[in-house]
Amino acid sequence: EVQLVESGGGLVQPGRALRLSCAASGFRFEDYAMHWVRQVSGKGLEWVAGISWNSKSLGYVDSVKGRFTISRDNAKNSLFLQMDSLTTEDTALYYCVKDMAPTIVVSPNFHYGMDVWGQGTTVTVS
Amino acid sequence: IQMTQSPSSLSASVGDRVTITCRAGQNIGRDVNWYQQKPGKAPKLLIYAASSLHSGVPSRFSGSGSGTEFTLTISSLQPEDFASYYCQQSYSTPRTFGQGTKLEIK
Repeated sequence: EVQLVESGGGLVQPGRALRLSCAASGFRFEDYAMHWVRQVSGKGLEWVAGISWNSKSLGYVDSVKGRFTISRDNAKNSLFLQMDSLTTEDTALYYCVKDMAPTIVVSPNFHYGMDVWGQGTTVTVS
Repeated sequence: IQMTQSPSSLSASVGDRVTITCRAGQNIGRDVNWYQQKPGKAPKLLIYAASSLHSGVPSRFSGSGSGTEFTLTISSLQPEDFASYYCQQSYSTPRTFGQGTKLEIK
């Protein structure tokens, strides 16, 4: 069964740090780009960060640039999000998401879509 | 790239045909995906590359469009289709989503 399981969320004070983890199983993790997407309770979806299969391409939404770092360990089938200098605006449910493609830079060779989602881990900054 | 979705909410009945529209702030070819989200659940991919049906998605869902205007159509609403729907562009990063459409039972 294809599965993504997030962990590491919790209650943290403004200015502090938190590290989210995502454990992948049921597919060849090393072949696909991965993302973090967040959702404030009752609001819409916001893409936070993405990473290519080989970690050579990274992308961030402007509001987290310089504060958040996405990384992956293909040997351990794991995705991470290091979140520093947290603010109340970062309070949300954070989803780990698999892409259909290996890259985050669009190429005509691939189709792009977020086809597997975890159940999310809640981050509360207060 | 801004994605503007309309309407933000929609009331419809079982059996109705429903269309949701998404407009991109620039030409993005066919790099649009559509997702369905039910309360308390993670989103699910319905359509990728504007019109390709994701595996396991019922054929009553369809997508169309290119350039800056895209649509998601549900041909005959079923009770399980009442949910929120989001478009998303995969043309460039950041991978922006539309603000969502909440589809409610009339």
